Amino acid sequence: DVKVTQSSRYLVKRTGEKVFLECVQDMDHENMFWYRQDPGLGLRLIYFSYDVKMKEKGDIPEGYSVSREKKERFSLILESASTNQTSMYLCASSLTGLSDTEAFFGQGTRLTVV
Amino acid sequence: AQSVSQHNHHVILSEAASLELGCNYSYGGTVNLFWYVQYPGQHLQLLLKYFSGDPLVKGIKGFEAEFIKSKFSFNLRKPSVQWSDTAEYFCASSSMEYGNKLVFGAGTILRVKS
Repeated sequence: DVKVTQSSRYLVKRTGEKVFLECVQDMDHENMFWYRQDPGLGLRLIYFSYDVKMKEKGDIPEGYSVSREKKERFSLILESASTNQTSMYLCASSLTGLSDTEAFFGQGTRLTVV
Repeated sequence: AQSVSQHNHHVILSEAASLELGCNYSYGGTVNLFWYVQYPGQHLQLLLKYFSGDPLVKGIKGFEAEFIKSKFSFNLRKPSVQWSDTAEYFCASSSMEYGNKLVFGAGTILRVKS
């Protein structure tokens, strides 16, 4: 079974703090994604990475950065957390190719910024 | 740009009613299409996927979806819903031309009344 593991289930941080969300996958997938999920807005892509040290901005990258130093690990960084970044954050991974690119998701991290 | 739209945000049905959830995607090239489901308190899981071949795709739990290229649509159907189908449903697309970037719709919340 593919496993995508997010380091925390729940986090509470203060405004202005630097926040790290970690994600690890164990199936040697090339692609990794970070989304935030908000009611009525679905999953919005923050960043994705198609290879080690490679990253692409998604639809809402402002206020976030990412790091992919190893193939299995993809980190999301909130440089200075703000209350509007309170959300559910989902990590996913998938293979690259013409087909069979199903994404597998972690359990999510619910971040509250106070 | 690659985008996915879902027509209904909330759907309420009685048990045994038929279900059809609309999904349209924007990209005209080769696409991979997915329906994911999120049951209350659980993580996202794949219902079904389309890569190529037969445009009528069957998934788990009696769900199916039809890919209609001329309409850029990938609607989800189930002939008879159950109370346990209460969940949020997400349509998603990816394309190798966009580097397998996976984009989601806003989601449809389905409530099935028993």
